[in-house]
Amino acid sequence: DAGITQSPRHKVTETGTPVTLRCHQTENHRYMYWYRQDPGHGLRLIHYSYGVKDTDKGEVSDGYSVSRSKTEDFLLTLESATSSQTSVYFCAITGQINQPQHFGDGTRLSIL
Amino acid sequence: SQQGEEDPQALSIQEGENATMNCSYKTSINNLQWYRQNSGRGLVHLILIRSNEREKHSGRLRVTLDTSKKSSSLLITASRAADTASYFCATDGTGGGADGLTFGKGTHLIIQP
Repeated sequence: DAGITQSPRHKVTETGTPVTLRCHQTENHRYMYWYRQDPGHGLRLIHYSYGVKDTDKGEVSDGYSVSRSKTEDFLLTLESATSSQTSVYFCAITGQINQPQHFGDGTRLSIL
Repeated sequence: SQQGEEDPQALSIQEGENATMNCSYKTSINNLQWYRQNSGRGLVHLILIRSNEREKHSGRLRVTLDTSKKSSSLLITASRAADTASYFCATDGTGGGADGLTFGKGTHLIIQP
């Protein structure tokens, strides 16, 4: 299995608070992704990174920011959490295009 | 918007039977992939089929791709209880996945013992 760890695995927080989710990989892969999974929507891309300090927006990026200061870590930040951001968040990595992505086990985030 | 759409949304069969799931997509692709997700876990890659391939096999899995119809199917033969999971197709547009994958909403497969 690809070495990919998400933290925390579960988090409950209140509306308006900042939240940061971490994705850590030990594969030295270039590409990293954040998706959210909601009932009835499947997985949707939030942000992605194609190298250190190189990031771009995905389909549902509003309300989220990301940072990648080193190859192994990709952080997802909710600056001011809202209830609509309650979801399961998945990080994925891949070393090359046209290759499969490898997923972490997810972070279940509840915003009350 | 969701590019891939799986059909059916849910499927329940007896152990030993074959399970077929379908996926439709809307735009040109380089590759189409199928993933499995067990309850409470991340997605696990099953098989990748390139746009110039029509069929691919991996163990009990058979995937077909028809780019003229923008559709794919996943066949699981001789199903087992451990195959109970959700199955997703994912497409990469023409960027090879560098800018992410687009997933369908999934088929929830239940294998009855």
